[in-house]
Amino acid sequence: SQQGEEDPQALSIQEGENATMNCSYKTSINNLQWYRQNSGRGLVHLILIRSNEREKHSGRLRVTLDTSKKSSSLLITASRAADTASYFCATDAPNSGYALNFGKGTSLLVTP
Amino acid sequence: DAGITQSPRHKVTETGTPVTLRCHQTENHRYMYWYRQDPGHGLRLIHYSYGVKDTDKGEVSDGYSVSRSKTEDFLLTLESATSSQTSVYFCAISERSGGIGTEAFFGQGTRLTVV
Repeated sequence: SQQGEEDPQALSIQEGENATMNCSYKTSINNLQWYRQNSGRGLVHLILIRSNEREKHSGRLRVTLDTSKKSSSLLITASRAADTASYFCATDAPNSGYALNFGKGTSLLVTP
Repeated sequence: DAGITQSPRHKVTETGTPVTLRCHQTENHRYMYWYRQDPGHGLRLIHYSYGVKDTDKGEVSDGYSVSRSKTEDFLLTLESATSSQTSVYFCAISERSGGIGTEAFFGQGTRLTVV
């Protein structure tokens, strides 16, 4: 079954604002990854956080991981219209063979 | 961009016909995945491969089969296409380091319509 579940399903903000998306998962993980998908395109990897890490940064992206709550958040600071996309979390779990399981995604709209 | 190519990019087929989608990679990655993406469901794993001739089922494998006879090619076959298999199909590749997965690279997708 799908491991990750993103929240909210949709988010609309204005340029310059911060966007926060959350991901909850069900079982223990090796790592959690965030991906972006622009309309009609394939997914692009954004950031990977390992189970022994609590926070990771990449440019305007900040990811946190709380394994006790089985949750992660993705923060995009100073959003731009070009950040408009769907964002997915994916989990690599030790008891799921080699599968990489995705959630249903958060649709982010950034308006000028 | 990672060297991963899906073919065809678009296909319309009739109910009951077999359909094969191809994923080709030039990265020599060991792990390959097939997902389908439908509104309201996100990406769901169909099958994946962890080596030549080594495959396993994902969440939504019924009605699909796969084959991997070479490292670079992973084929997805709809044995008898149904309208419920109308979807966008994505192939992905990845590696593992120390037994833990690394980032996955995705193809551009195949839009399949079953009429």
